[in-house]
Formats: sequence, C-alpha cells, structure tokens
Amino acid sequence: SQTIHQWPATLVQPVGSPLSLECTVEGTSNPNLYWYRQAAGRGLQLLFYSVGIGQISSEVPQNLSASRPQDRQFILSSKKLLLSDSGFYLCAWSVEPRGLAKNIQYFGAGTRLSVL
Amino acid sequence: EDKVVQSPLSLVVHEGDTVTLNCSYEVTNFRSLLWYKQEKKAPTFLFMLTSSGIEKKSGRLSSILDKKELFSILNITATQTGDSAIYLCAVPNNAGNMLTFGGGTRLMVKP
Repeated sequence: SQTIHQWPATLVQPVGSPLSLECTVEGTSNPNLYWYRQAAGRGLQLLFYSVGIGQISSEVPQNLSASRPQDRQFILSSKKLLLSDSGFYLCAWSVEPRGLAKNIQYFGAGTRLSVL
Repeated sequence: EDKVVQSPLSLVVHEGDTVTLNCSYEVTNFRSLLWYKQEKKAPTFLFMLTSSGIEKKSGRLSSILDKKELFSILNITATQTGDSAIYLCAVPNNAGNMLTFGGGTRLMVKP
C-alpha cells in the first residue's frame, strides 16, 4: 500500500533563516506531487506541483521554491524565511494513470512552521 | 478560473444533531467533486462524486451532487464528537492533475 511521509511535524525558525521540508512517497511510481499551504482553520492553497523528476510548476509567486530530485521525493525550500511564511504545509500525491482515480489526492501529516 | 465556495464557515452542534454542509463550484470542465475530512493534520478522502443525484454513503455520512445547479452537500446524521473537523470540498482541473479547494467548513460537535 502507498504511504506518504512528511517531516518535520513542527518547526520554529527565525526570520531570514533557510527552510527545507521533505516529503517522500512509498508504494507507487511516477506520482504527481503537491505542496499546499493552509492558513489557520481554512482551505488549502496550492503552492507547487510536479508531474515528474525535475518538473515543477509554481502556482503562486512567493518566497518559496520546490524541487523533485527523485521520483518519490519532493522538497520545499526557502533561502530566507519571512514572517508571512508561517503556516501549515501539506504534501500530497496522486496517481498518474488515466481516469478519475488521478483526481484523488492523498495527504501527508503536514508541517506546522512558525517563523519568529 | 475554477472556484469552490463552502458554507457555512463554521458550525457548532450537539451530539445527535444532523448537519448539512454545502459546496458550490464553478469549473471550466467538470470531472468530479471530492470531499475530505481534516481533523488535526492530514485531510483524509471521504467521497468522490461524478454523477448527479447518486448518493454516496459511508456510515452516517452521505453526499450528493447536483451538476445542474453546481453544488454538492455533505450530510452527517447522529453527529458524534469524533465528527468534529474541517470538511473540505475540492474540484479537479480539466487535466485532473490539480485540485481547487474551498475554504472549508469547521464543524464542532459538543457532547
């Protein structure tokens, strides 16, 4: 069965420090991978998605970047964090095969980032 | 641009009550509508709806889609404290590889 791992669970970082959040998926090949940010108690905002190694699409301009160095690894980074980067970050994956199955995304447990 | 709007924003009920959560959408090319439940961390998948009028059920939860009026409802009967969560509605884009989420409904069930 497929599993998704996301770490760390919580992170407190000073303004101006770098960031690296990691997400890995097991049990599937060539998944679509996603990074979302969620404001407190609200809906999800898509930040980046990737359909393959080295292929990254950015949905909103921001202080963050993403990379996919391996098929099942997705990394969210920043060179210098801002206060406004605080939030709950979720990684998700979906299957690539055709059909409606690929519409369903499965989420990791999230990282709560506090920038102070 | 695809759009999803959920209502109410939040809801407080007592155990045993029945609740109805609403989701309206606008999409370029409708493929499906998805419901998720988020308790503390990861949203978990509940239902995917593709056809109008066909109710999906899982225990006390059920959902139905109206493609003509562009909305879906999620019903929870005989609510329990464990139903307390944020309920998210989402629609995929035309290619099916991205989801647009609504703002969610925060449900609190009091004992």
